Amino acid sequence: QSVLTQPPSVSGAPGQRVTISCTGSSSNIGAGYDVHWYQQFPGTAPKLLIYGNSNRPSGVPDRFSGSKSGTSASLAITGLQAEDEADYYCQSYDIRLSALEVFGGGTKLTVL
Amino acid sequence: QVTLKESGPALVKPTQTLTLTCTFSGFSLSTSGMRVSWIRLPPGKALEWLARIDWDDDKFYSTSLKTRLTISKDTSKSQVVLTMTNMDPVDTATYYCARRSPDEDAYDMWGQGTMVTVSS
Repeated sequence: QSVLTQPPSVSGAPGQRVTISCTGSSSNIGAGYDVHWYQQFPGTAPKLLIYGNSNRPSGVPDRFSGSKSGTSASLAITGLQAEDEADYYCQSYDIRLSALEVFGGGTKLTVL
Repeated sequence: QVTLKESGPALVKPTQTLTLTCTFSGFSLSTSGMRVSWIRLPPGKALEWLARIDWDDDKFYSTSLKTRLTISKDTSKSQVVLTMTNMDPVDTATYYCARRSPDEDAYDMWGQGTMVTVSS
């Protein structure tokens, strides 16, 4: 059970906007640590989608955006496309674990 | 071009020790701020961070697995090695090595992963 809680699944129709939450606590996100987001398709390696809470690496469409507030972070996907169907993970650090690294439990996005 | 590739046995028996090697190119682990971690994905479960080694040879381990893990690097060979002792079927997973770059301070490059099955 991860210290970062994500909904197991979210879904949306093409063109819609969906958000994926990542809820932590005062020992991780709330302590000021950055949150990063990764996208993973079955059988492939994760890909960095958002770093430093809200920054997109080169090549990531601006349909993907990240935000952080208090002890939570969110990934928003606008203009949902069929190819966005994947697993999404948040990642941060936790001071109770000596600032070691933690991943959320992952969220399966289904495009209806 | 940055690449990472994991190698190791596909099958290990319970109680055996697993040794995985991450061979990378396109960057140096002696560059200030560079880090490499091992992360695994058990079937049907979530990503789990295992261990990390930094450019200055600092090493960090998952608190739940630290007694079983050892991470090391050979900068001249551009390799990072992870050993995990006393393997159990619950350790069956795809194991990834990933680079944490000093620019994004996130895992910007990943290996393709290597599937390890623990079974007698």
